[in-house]
This record gives sequence, structure tokens and C-alpha cells, in this order.
Amino acid sequence: EDQVTQSPEALRLQEGESSSLNCSYTVSGLRGLFWYRQDPGKGPEFLFTLYSAGEEKEKERLKATLTKKESFLHITAPKPEDSATYLCAVQARAGSYQLTFGKGTKLSVIP
Amino acid sequence: GAVVSQHPSRVICKSGTSVKIECRSLDFQATTMFWYRQFPKQSLMLMATSNEGSKATYEQGVEKDKFLINHASLTLSTLTVTSAHPEDSSFYICSARDRVYGYTFGSGTRLTVV
Repeated sequence: EDQVTQSPEALRLQEGESSSLNCSYTVSGLRGLFWYRQDPGKGPEFLFTLYSAGEEKEKERLKATLTKKESFLHITAPKPEDSATYLCAVQARAGSYQLTFGKGTKLSVIP
Repeated sequence: GAVVSQHPSRVICKSGTSVKIECRSLDFQATTMFWYRQFPKQSLMLMATSNEGSKATYEQGVEKDKFLINHASLTLSTLTVTSAHPEDSSFYICSARDRVYGYTFGSGTRLTVV
């Protein structure tokens, strides 16, 4: 059974204080790992897709990395507007397009 | 980028009535659509997967007679919650997939059954 575990559940940072969110996964053949941002009462907003170990992607203050067992979302010098829940999801098994989501990390950035 | 329009954003209905939620892909054709349910502080739980013109595939434990999914075209899917009860109150989110944009999510529907 595919499993995605995110840690920590919640994270409070001071504005400018860099940190990382973790996503550990167990899947039968990773097809892709996805990071999304979700604001309260909204649907997930796409951030990154990673396909193979060693791959890295960046967007503004965010950088996602991938190993064979986990992914990290690094947040550099966060701002209050980065406050949201960050979701990690995996697509596993060739021929299946279903995503399995972790429970998310709720990030709060304090001014 | 790709946009998925989901309506309504909020709905309150009486117990025993039915509610329809609509999900449209605005500028692309979705080969597959997904419906999720999300409880407070929980992750997205997949309810069903549907392909245009085919019957939806429901996840284990999801009542297909209660949650009716219609995927009539490559740009429209609907979820109807039939004979809704308070325990059906939740946040429902659709997602559309295509080969160019990958997975795009709707903005969600907050259903409250009173």
C-alpha cells in the first residue's frame, strides 16, 4: 500500500527564518512526487513535480528536492504570505493516475 | 495555466435532499477527473476516478449510489450527493488531469447538511 508521511504537522517560523518540510513516501514504483500549497477553504495549488532521485526544482523562495525515500520542501527567508498548508502527493504504479496525499504541514510565518 | 472551475463554493442543504457539484476544465480537455473529500485538518481522500463516457471507479468504502458521478464530456464532471445527511458534510474537491498540465484542482465546495 502506498504511504505518504509529512512532518512536522505544523511549523511556526519567524519571517526570514528558513526551514524545511519533509515528505517520506513508500510506493511501488514512483511515477511522480507532487507538492501543492493549500490555503484555507481552497483547493490545492500546484507547486512542483519531481520524477527522479536527485532532481531539484525552485520557484521564488521554495525549493523541492527528491531522494529515493523522501522529498524536502525548503523555504528560504519566508514571508507571512507563505503561510498555508503544504501537501505532498505521489503517483505510483504505471497505468494509474491516482494521487496519494500526505496529511500536510501547516506553515505559519509570523511577521 | 490550466483552470478548473468548481461550483458552488458553498452549499447548505436540508437532510434528505440532493446536492449537485459541478467541475469544469476551462481551457483544456481532461482525460480523467477525480473527486476528493477532505475533513478538517485531514488530507484529501480520493472518492472516485472517472473517465469521459465511462462509469466512475469508486474507492473502497465509498457508496456509489450515494455519490453519483457523471463525466458527460471532456470538460465537465458532476458529483451528486443523494439523500444527504449531516455526516456527508465536508469539503469536496475535484481534480482534472491532462497530458500537458498534469493535475489541476478546483477551488472546492463546502457542503453543510442541516
